[in-house]
Amino acid sequence: DAGVIQSPRHEVTEMGQEVTLRCKPISGHNSLFWYRQTMMRGLELLIYFNNNVPIDDSGMPEDRFSAKMPNASFSTLKIQPSEPRDSAVYFCATSRTSGSRHTGELFFGEGSRLTVL
Amino acid sequence: KNEVEQSPQNLTAQEGEFITINCSYSVGISALHWLQQHPGGGIVSLFMLSSGKKKHGRLIATINIQEKHSSLHITASHPRDSAVYICSLQGAQKLVFGQGTRLTINP
Repeated sequence: DAGVIQSPRHEVTEMGQEVTLRCKPISGHNSLFWYRQTMMRGLELLIYFNNNVPIDDSGMPEDRFSAKMPNASFSTLKIQPSEPRDSAVYFCATSRTSGSRHTGELFFGEGSRLTVL
Repeated sequence: KNEVEQSPQNLTAQEGEFITINCSYSVGISALHWLQQHPGGGIVSLFMLSSGKKKHGRLIATINIQEKHSSLHITASHPRDSAVYICSLQGAQKLVFGQGTRLTINP
C-alpha cells in the first residue's frame, strides 16, 4: 500500500487566496483526521471523519476553514481566505476503527507545508 | 493544567544510553499513542496502548491506567533515534497531543 498520500507537499500563497489541501487515505481505513502543527501550538486536531461523516470539528479554528470527505478515498481541507497565521504543516492521518470509537493505529501522511505571505 | 504533560521537554544523551520519556495525563482515555517525528517532519506511530506493555525492537512502551501515566523506553540508544517523541491521548472521539520530547543522541 502507498500509505496516506497528501498533496501538495509545499504551498506558498498570498494572503486572501484560497488554499485546498488533499488527502488520500489508506484503502480500507474508515477514519480520517486532519491535524495542524506549528512551533507555537504543536500538533492540533482540526477535524475527524468516521465513515466519511464529520464526527468532531471542534478543532477547526474558524469559518475560513472547511473540510469535506465526499467518499472513502478522498478528503479536502480548504482555507478561504487564507491568512499568514494559517502558515503551518497540515497532516492527514487515517486508521481503521470499529463503530464510532477510534481504536486503530494511526498512519500519517507526510504533511503539506503551507506558507501564507 | 494541560490534559497531557510530557517530560522531559528536551533530552540529550550519549549513544548506548537507556532513555525514558514520560507522559502523564489527567483525563479518562481509551488508548494512548506514542508518535515519532523526525527532523524531516514525517510522523510515525510507534505504539498504541490501552494497558500493560508493548515492545518493538529496542523500543518499549508501558502504561498504568490507574496512575494515568505512560513511559517510552529506548534501549541501546542510537543517533538515528534522535527525533521528537509525542504522546497522544485518545478519548471516545477526540485526540489530544503532548508538546513532545526532543531527543538528541550523540555518537
